Amino acid sequence: GDSVTQMEGPVTLSEEAFLTINCTYTATGYPSLFWYVQYPGEGLQLLLKATKADDKGSNKGFEATYRKETTSFHLEKGSVQVSDSAVYFCALSFSGGYQKVTFGIGTKLQVIP
Amino acid sequence: DVKVTQSSRYLVKRTGEKVFLECVQDMDHENMFWYRQDPGLGLRLIYFSYDVKMKEKGDIPEGYSVSREKKERFSLILESASTNQTSMYLCATTYPPSGTNYGYTFGSGTRLTVV
Repeated sequence: GDSVTQMEGPVTLSEEAFLTINCTYTATGYPSLFWYVQYPGEGLQLLLKATKADDKGSNKGFEATYRKETTSFHLEKGSVQVSDSAVYFCALSFSGGYQKVTFGIGTKLQVIP
Repeated sequence: DVKVTQSSRYLVKRTGEKVFLECVQDMDHENMFWYRQDPGLGLRLIYFSYDVKMKEKGDIPEGYSVSREKKERFSLILESASTNQTSMYLCATTYPPSGTNYGYTFGSGTRLTVV
């Protein structure tokens, strides 16, 4: 079946450091790819998405590029802030049908001043 | 913006109780989902619904049932709560099937503790 792999963390960075969270997937066909963010005590919010190969999703300074050849969708940010501390989930789903989403395990990011 | 409202942020229930978790959306989304979130396991799909009175089992339906009598409301039912159902429960909705994949809109979650 479909699956998403990401490290659980925690990832601890100093403010203004460069962030990379790796995400790889296994799927039959070409899914849409997503990053969701969960701030403490809240539900998940869609951060960015890409629907086809070589697409780049971006939002709030975060970016991720859909790489079909490496089945990856790594999340990057050039300079993190304390307010970026959260859990980040990589996910995939297929357009049409019920659009069920398969999530990775979530990576906890802690940014220290 | 679509709003997805879960009726309780925190619940404490006793073992054996019947528990209802409610989710209401303010848009005309056909698809609604219930997940549970546990440390080290991520999000796991319990049940989903693609229309009124229609439901499908997800990956971990045992011990749960659902009800969708109106399009905007999707209820998760724990028939007889057990301590291993202590978890964060998340409701999500998405647009109808189409060529565009918009992703989910989530509620804020209900943290359920069964004692």
